Amino acid sequence: DGGITQSPKYLFRKEGQNVTLSCEQNLNHDAMYWYRQDPGQGLRLIYYSQIVNDFQKGDIAEGYSVSREKKESFPLTVTSAQKNPTAFYLCASSPGGAGRAFFGQGTRLTVV
Amino acid sequence: QKEVEQNSGPLSVPEGAIASLNCTYSDRGSQSFFWYRQYSGKSPELIMSIYSNGDQEDGRFTAQLNKASQYVSLLIRDSQPSDSATYLCAVLWGDNFNKFYFGSGTKLNVKP
Repeated sequence: DGGITQSPKYLFRKEGQNVTLSCEQNLNHDAMYWYRQDPGQGLRLIYYSQIVNDFQKGDIAEGYSVSREKKESFPLTVTSAQKNPTAFYLCASSPGGAGRAFFGQGTRLTVV
Repeated sequence: QKEVEQNSGPLSVPEGAIASLNCTYSDRGSQSFFWYRQYSGKSPELIMSIYSNGDQEDGRFTAQLNKASQYVSLLIRDSQPSDSATYLCAVLWGDNFNKFYFGSGTKLNVKP
């Protein structure tokens, strides 16, 4: 089945740790995105990438890093510099142009 | 910063009624508009896309776009309890229309 796979579904981070969230797509989409959602809030753009080896900061990139070494993969690292990382993280992809965004199932990150 | 504004609700309607959800956006240059439905704890799923002024209908759902007024709406006819969810308005922006910006969502409650 074609789609976007995020893992893990739940993740717990200790203070000062870096953690990496996985996002893989087999839709052959060029564009990929990472969003953060806090309770009762909309989606805020962290990073996005239109092609391999290129990515751009979104509105809340501080404390996060990404890589795009393969078309199908766009992992997000939440670094220790992100002081309030507890949130629901959503990865999305799009074929580009005016196409819609397809979402993965999300990763819920909690600081313990 | 681009802005997508929605009334957070909750919007309560009785079963069988029409639910009307509204969204305004700040940039006249946007070309593509989307409505997503999000159940609690789940990822967003696409309900409707609309690209030109006027109405776009799909089953019980109608999206309406007025670019001059920078206004997008979603009508849900014959509302069902299963329609109870948060509805997110999304607008595609960027130099190459490559960034999706989301509103904070409107929570809809359909009462049996």
